[in-house]
Amino acid sequence: DQQVKQNSPSLSVQEGRISILNCDYTNSMFDYFLWYKKYPAEGPTFLISISSIKDKNEDGRFTVFLNKSAKHLSLHIVPSQPGDSAVYFCAASSPQGGSEKLVFGKGTKLTVNP
Amino acid sequence: DAGVIQSPRHEVTEMGQEVTLRCKPISGHNSLFWYRQTMMRGLELLIYFNNNVPIDDSGMPEDRFSAKMPNASFSTLKIQPSEPRDSAVYFCASSQISNQPQHFGDGTRLSIL
Repeated sequence: DQQVKQNSPSLSVQEGRISILNCDYTNSMFDYFLWYKKYPAEGPTFLISISSIKDKNEDGRFTVFLNKSAKHLSLHIVPSQPGDSAVYFCAASSPQGGSEKLVFGKGTKLTVNP
Repeated sequence: DAGVIQSPRHEVTEMGQEVTLRCKPISGHNSLFWYRQTMMRGLELLIYFNNNVPIDDSGMPEDRFSAKMPNASFSTLKIQPSEPRDSAVYFCASSQISNQPQHFGDGTRLSIL
C-alpha cells in the first residue's frame, strides 16, 4: 500500500509560469516532509522540507505548502526555468517509523518548455 | 566537498553470480541508507545504519541480500545469488543524524541477465 502518492506522472509548463507539483499521503503520523529533485543518471538532490508544525516553507523560487487536514502537500516553483526540468520526488517520515526512514512517492516528471 | 560515492556505476552480470555494490558516505555523516529504485515500486529503502550499526533492515527483500558497514567510510550491499528481478538502480545515501536531509550518490545501475 502506497503511503505517499504522486498522482501525476508528468507535468509540462512554459518557462516563466508557475509549476505546481502535488503529493498526498495516507499516514497521519508523518510529521516531516521533503522534496527531492532528480536529473537523469544522477541521484536525488534535496530541495526543500517542511515540518508538520508549519503550513508553508519558502526558499527562493521554491515554496512547499502543507495541508495536514487534507494530508496533502504541494511544491510551487515560480518562475519555472528550463533547468528545473527533472523528476521531483515527495518523501515523508514519522517518529514511529524512525525519523530517518523516508517513504518516497514515485515521482513527477516536470518539463519546462522554453 | 566530495559527495556520496558509489561504485560501480553500471554492473551487468549473469544470474546466479554474486554482486557487490559499494558506497562511501560523506565524511562526518553518521547515517547511511541503501535504496532500490524500480519502475514498479519506485524508490524503496532497503536498510539503514546509524554509527555503522544496522538499525532497520525490514526493506531487504530476501536472504540473498546482505549489507555491511565495517567502518564509518565504507558500506557494501551484496546480492548472492543474483536474479533477473534484482535488476534496478541502487542508491546509497548518507546524512547526519536527527532529521538532516539525506544526500544521495549517483547510483549503480544493475542488470542481471
